[in-house]
Amino acid sequence: DGGITQSPKYLFRKEGQNVTLSCEQNLNHDAMYWYRQDPGQGLRLIYYSQIVNDFQKGDIAEGYSVSREKKESFPLTVTSAQKNPTAFYLCASSTGGASYGYTFGSGTRLTVV
Amino acid sequence: QKEVEQDPGPLSVPEGAIVSLNCTYSNSAFQYFMWYRQYSRKGPELLMYTYSSGNKEDGRFTAQVDKSSKYISLFIRDSQPSDSATYLCAMRADRGSTLGRLYFGRGTQLTVWP
Repeated sequence: DGGITQSPKYLFRKEGQNVTLSCEQNLNHDAMYWYRQDPGQGLRLIYYSQIVNDFQKGDIAEGYSVSREKKESFPLTVTSAQKNPTAFYLCASSTGGASYGYTFGSGTRLTVV
Repeated sequence: QKEVEQDPGPLSVPEGAIVSLNCTYSNSAFQYFMWYRQYSRKGPELLMYTYSSGNKEDGRFTAQVDKSSKYISLFIRDSQPSDSATYLCAMRADRGSTLGRLYFGRGTQLTVWP
């Protein structure tokens, strides 16, 4: 079945560490997105990519980095520069342009310990 | 002013009630309107999708769009405990540099008690 796979489901990070969240899709979608979700704040866009080897900053990109070397993959690195990284991270994909909306992964819960 | 405004609730109703969820928006370029349902600790899933103004019905769910008022609604009839979730509205333009990008409301947390 086609879909988006995020891993790991739960991730714990020590202060000062970088961690990478994985997002893989087999839907042949061109566009991929990373969102952060905090209680009461809805979804906030971190980065998005509409095509391989190209990506743009979203509304809260500081402290995060991404790459898009393959169409299927859009990993997100949470760097030590991100001061409050504890959150639920969601990856999504779409056909891009005039699409019918996003398909979301099941999320990664990141906790700083 | 945020692009999309949505009352976060929480909203608590008895089983069988009619539920009304709403969003307002400011960008007149928005033409595509969606509702997502998100269960706890899961990713959102697309529930309803409408284009421009009008109504769309799917079983117990009805989505309404009033572009003149920049107001969208989702109605749930005969609500069930399994409808307990967070409901997010989302919308996008049909032109311009932000084509393809969805703008989300904060989500409304709904609990349907038996």
